[in-house]
Parts: sequence; structure tokens; C-alpha cells
Amino acid sequence: GEDVEQSLFLSVREGDSSVINCTYTDSSSTYLYWYKQEPGAGLQLLTYIFSNMDMKQDQRLTVLLNKKDKHLSLRIADTQTGDSAIYFCAERNSGYSTLTFGKGTMLLVSP
Amino acid sequence: NAGVTQTPKFRVLKTGQSMTLLCAQDMNHEYMYWYRQDPGMGLRLIHYSVGEGTTAKGEVPDGYNVSRLKKQNFLLGLESAAPSQTSVYFCASSLRNRPYSGANVLTFGAGSRLTVL
Repeated sequence: GEDVEQSLFLSVREGDSSVINCTYTDSSSTYLYWYKQEPGAGLQLLTYIFSNMDMKQDQRLTVLLNKKDKHLSLRIADTQTGDSAIYFCAERNSGYSTLTFGKGTMLLVSP
Repeated sequence: NAGVTQTPKFRVLKTGQSMTLLCAQDMNHEYMYWYRQDPGMGLRLIHYSVGEGTTAKGEVPDGYNVSRLKKQNFLLGLESAAPSQTSVYFCASSLRNRPYSGANVLTFGAGSRLTVL
């Protein structure tokens, strides 16, 4: 079955770049996602990438996809204290309309 | 446009009691999902529905039942609550996508925190 792995915690200083990494197992995944969860709230979609792309950039966010290594990363430039949250990587399950989520990476941004 | 609304937001149950969580969406989405979130476990899919009147099991369906009698509502039931069902439950919905295609972006509710004593 599908499995998504992430590191559990990342701490950075305000203004630095943050890089959150994710590995997945389903080589036939067509879409991969990054969601953000702020304390006490639901998940919000940050961005997603189609599997035929290597990179996607959206303002301060850069997503890199290495299909050979099944590795996905999210880079947040100029990280702000408001970026402190849990970030979830997810893959679209092949053939189905469900997503498998990783355990989430807690990002802590200190002033 | 409220998006995905979950009720109740908080509930405390005793072991063996039953309850129903309600999810409502106003985006005319075909697909709806129930996930549970536990510390260190991430989000795990309980049940999902690809249309009115249809449901399917996810990764952790035991102890739960669901119903999708109306397109906009997806109900999650606990017939006999157990302490292991203490969790935060999230409902989500998405548009229909053809298999193997479409970004299938999920919109989440704010969550329902359930404690079983």
C-alpha cells in the first residue's frame, strides 16, 4: 500500500529558508500535495504538483519533485513566524480519489 | 459559502455510548471523506464516499459507520464508543475526478474533537 514519510520537526529562525522533505512509495502517484495545518484548525491546501513536473514555484513556496527517488520537498523562502504550523505531504492514491497523508512536520519559526 | 462544516466541534462520551458526527458541504462536491488525526499518526482515512448513496472503507474503518443519504451531507457514526476512538475527526470534500487524472484537491472542515472516557 501507499506510505508517505516525513521528518516530524523543523526549527528555523525568521527570515531563513525552510525545507521540509517527504518520501512516498507509490511510483504511480499522479499528484503530490502540501497541506498546512495551523493550531486548532483544519488542513489548507498550500500547493500541489503533477508527477510530470520537476519543480513548481508559487511566491515564497518552491516544490521540488524527484520521481526517481520518490522524494518531494517544500521550500519556504523568507520564513515568517506566521508560517509556524504543521505541514503535511500527501499523495493521490493510484486509481482512486483518496489521498494518503504523511504524519506531518511541525515547523517552528523563532524571531 | 461556508465550505465544509462539521458539528459538533467538541464532544465527550462515556465508553459504550453512541454518537453521530455531521459533515455538510455547500460546494456541490461529489466526494466526501472522514479522517481521524492522532498524535504521531498523522491523518488516517476512515471511510469515504464517491457519491450520494455510496460509501467505501478506508484505512481504519472498524468501529465506525457512515451514511451519505444526501449529496451535501456525510455522517460518521460510532455505535459503541471506545477510548481508542478519542481523536480529532476531520471531514473533507472534493470534486469528482476521473481515475488516474485530476488533482483531487480536498477541502477540509475545522475538525471535531471527541473524547471517550
